[in-house]
Formats: sequence, C-alpha cells, structure tokens
Amino acid sequence: AQKITQTQPGMFVQEKEAVTLDCTYDTSDPSYGLFWYKQPSSGEMIFLIYQGSYDQQNATEGRYSLNFQKARKSANLVISASQLGDSAMYFCAMKGRSGGGADGLTFGKGTHLIIQP
Amino acid sequence: NAGVTQTPKFQVLKTGQSMTLQCAQDMNHEYMSWYRQDPGMGLRLIHYSVGAGITDQGEVPNGYNVSRSTTEDFPLRLLSAAPSQTSVYFCASRPTSGGGYEQYFGPGTRLTVT
Repeated sequence: AQKITQTQPGMFVQEKEAVTLDCTYDTSDPSYGLFWYKQPSSGEMIFLIYQGSYDQQNATEGRYSLNFQKARKSANLVISASQLGDSAMYFCAMKGRSGGGADGLTFGKGTHLIIQP
Repeated sequence: NAGVTQTPKFQVLKTGQSMTLQCAQDMNHEYMSWYRQDPGMGLRLIHYSVGAGITDQGEVPNGYNVSRSTTEDFPLRLLSAAPSQTSVYFCASRPTSGGGYEQYFGPGTRLTVT
C-alpha cells in the first residue's frame, strides 16, 4: 500500500521568506509520480508541480521547486520568496495503485501554511 | 473550455435519502475519478473510470455507485445517505494518453447528511 506523510500540520512564515513543506512517501512500486496541490480557503484544488520517479532533475515551476530525494523517499516542496497569497493548505500526493485503483492519487493530510506580513 | 464542472455546489440530505452528484468534463479525458475530503484529511479515492463503460473501486467505495456511459460524464450516486458521508466531494479528470499526468479537479460539492 502507498502512504504519504506530511509531518507539519501548520506553519507560520514571514512574507518574502522561503518555505519548505515536508513530504515523505512509501511505496513498493518502482514507477510512481509525486504531486503538490494547493487548496486555498475557497476550496478548489490547484495543481502546483509534478515529479516522476525516473526524472533525473528536480522539478521547478516558477517559485515552486520540488526537492526530490529518492533514497530518503522525500519530496519536499520549496516556495521561494513567499507571498501573502501563498497562505493555503498544501497537499502532497502520489500517483500509483491507490487502494487497488489504477493511477488514483494517494494524499497526505496536508500542511496549513500561513504567510505573515 | 469549462474544464471539470460539478453540480450541485451544496446539498443537504436526510439519512436514507439517495442522490446523484454530477460531474462533467469537456477536455475529452479518458480518466475520471471521485474523491472525498473529510476535515483534517487529504482526499481519498472513491471510484474511478479509465473510459466509457469501465469503472472500478478506489479506497473508500462503500455506499457509492458510479457509471460511465459517455466520455464526458461521470455521476456519483449515494444509494442511502448516512451521516458518515458528510464530506466535500471532488471529481477529477486527466488524459491517459500523451503522457499527461496532471489531474484537473472540479470545484467540489459540499454534502451534509443529517
């Protein structure tokens, strides 16, 4: 079975600082994908970044980067130069066989990030 | 493109009632899925479909039925609502060919069962 662990229930960060959100995963599947989603208070799920298990380089998308350490089974999200609009819940998720479902996403419990001015 | 749409946005049911949550996508995606999100939890997969006429169970399928008669639509049926089904329901879709991996989520349906 797959598992995603996010150990930081909540974080307070000063505006303009960099933020690292932790994510560790467990899977026996050699081929998998890791995602980060943002969920603002309005409730929608916003895709941020994706890393495939065979990708050689760490994924980057604008201010978001994924610090992928395969041997440690970690996929931390780094947000550079945080902004007030970054305040939201952040979910790490893994693609693979979720509860028997092909390609379903297994989610962590999330980290509530609050950016302070 | 409207993307993934869900109706209704909010619904209150009494225990034992049945209802259907609607999900539609206009991106011609083969893969569609339903998740539920409970307080303090991430999303959990209920059912999924890899194409019209093909559905399968996810992690938490009990109490829910799905069907996929067209590529565009993937309704979720609650057969006899229970308070434990109070949750926010998200529908998602993605292509299965062409290397697409991003799942596109709908805006969610907030369901309360009393």
